[in-house]
Amino acid sequence: AQKVTQAQTEISVVEKEDVTLDCVYETRDTTYYLFWYKQPPSGELVFLIRRNSFDEQNEISGRYSWNFQKSTSSFNFTITASQVVDSAVYFCALSEAITGNQFYFGTGTSLTVIP
Amino acid sequence: GAVVSQHPSRVICKSGTSVKIECRSLDFQATTMFWYRQFPKQSLMLMATSNEGSKATYEQGVEKDKFLINHASLTLSTLTVTSAHPEDSSFYICSARGGQYQPQHFGDGTRLSIL
Repeated sequence: AQKVTQAQTEISVVEKEDVTLDCVYETRDTTYYLFWYKQPPSGELVFLIRRNSFDEQNEISGRYSWNFQKSTSSFNFTITASQVVDSAVYFCALSEAITGNQFYFGTGTSLTVIP
Repeated sequence: GAVVSQHPSRVICKSGTSVKIECRSLDFQATTMFWYRQFPKQSLMLMATSNEGSKATYEQGVEKDKFLINHASLTLSTLTVTSAHPEDSSFYICSARGGQYQPQHFGDGTRLSIL
């Protein structure tokens, strides 16, 4: 069965601290996609990254970085030097690569960055 | 990038009213559109998948007679919540995909409040 677990429900950090959001997934598929989305209070989903299961390279984009470890089925997201604007709910998601129909979202991690 | 527009962004109406939500792909043809529901502080749950010109496929537990989905063109899908009740109050988000191997692009969501 497909499942995404985000064990951290809420995290609070002080501005400029680094923070890592954990994501652990379960799937029987050999080919799949992993995603991170940001949902600010206004509600829209902001796409952050899509990672194919064959690409285990870590990725860095500005203050954001992602660590994909197939051996532990984890796809963790780190924000470096956090800012108040990073405050949001962050969702990790999994979809099968072939049809990409079903998105399995984690329960989300609510991040609050305190000024 | 691909843009998905969802309208309205917020609806407040009385119990028993039917509410229609539109989801449009503005700069691409969406062969498949998806409808999600998100209750407060919870994750997104897929309600149904619709392919242009055919009947929607509903997830288990979603009442097809209550949530009518129409995908009459390659750029428009509508979700009608019929005879809405307070328990239908939720955040509804659509997404659209241009082809089988294309990523899903999300709309900004509709916050539905039934009084």
